[in-house]
Amino acid sequence: GAGVSQSPRYKVAKRGQDVALRCDPISGHVSLFWYQQALGQGPEFLTYFQNEAQLDKSGLPSDRFFAERPEGSVSTLKIQRTQQEDSAVYLCASSSRTGARGTEAFFGQGTRLTVV
Amino acid sequence: SQQGEEDPQALSIQEGENATMNCSYKTSINNLQWYRQNSGRGLVHLILIRSNEREKHSGRLRVTLDTSKKSSSLLITASRAADTASYFCATDANQGGKLIFGQGTELSVKP
Repeated sequence: GAGVSQSPRYKVAKRGQDVALRCDPISGHVSLFWYQQALGQGPEFLTYFQNEAQLDKSGLPSDRFFAERPEGSVSTLKIQRTQQEDSAVYLCASSSRTGARGTEAFFGQGTRLTVV
Repeated sequence: SQQGEEDPQALSIQEGENATMNCSYKTSINNLQWYRQNSGRGLVHLILIRSNEREKHSGRLRVTLDTSKKSSSLLITASRAADTASYFCATDANQGGKLIFGQGTELSVKP
């Protein structure tokens, strides 16, 4: 597709339930990022992939959060045993290049997760 | 935790007026980017300014960067109601493209 696609757009989970959020980046983009955005706040970095390699996962808030990108394209962010504080919008972004000269990131519409 | 702060947190102006938003950050950067977010939508990239640049223009947007003060400003000239959105600055500290966002400025342009 033309842009970054995320699914589902909305997810309501009961506390303790596991969820999986999907991101389809722009075709050919090497870098893929996950961000978490709480209501009224700016996005906060979670994790970053270059192709299939997860190069930085310093932003993952706990070991309940796990991300993968096994073939270097589609990525899944999994949250186990969801808690109310996990409620947020989860944004995925991709960009075409890595290295010293940064480029713009293209964001998906996000998945709004509500834990009840 | 987020890189820096933006001010004002909220800005309300009339159509046709200029809007100025400021961003401060804490660490050395490779570049600084500005994004726009409409309610309930993803972020849209507006403009990127590299650390060796001081000013950049794109249409009605003007961005300045002062690396000695670790600050940037975004000016939107001749604002339109359609410019109503949240605006975020984001810094790239050459860590693979990872962006650190500010808290954002919520701009409201009244027709």
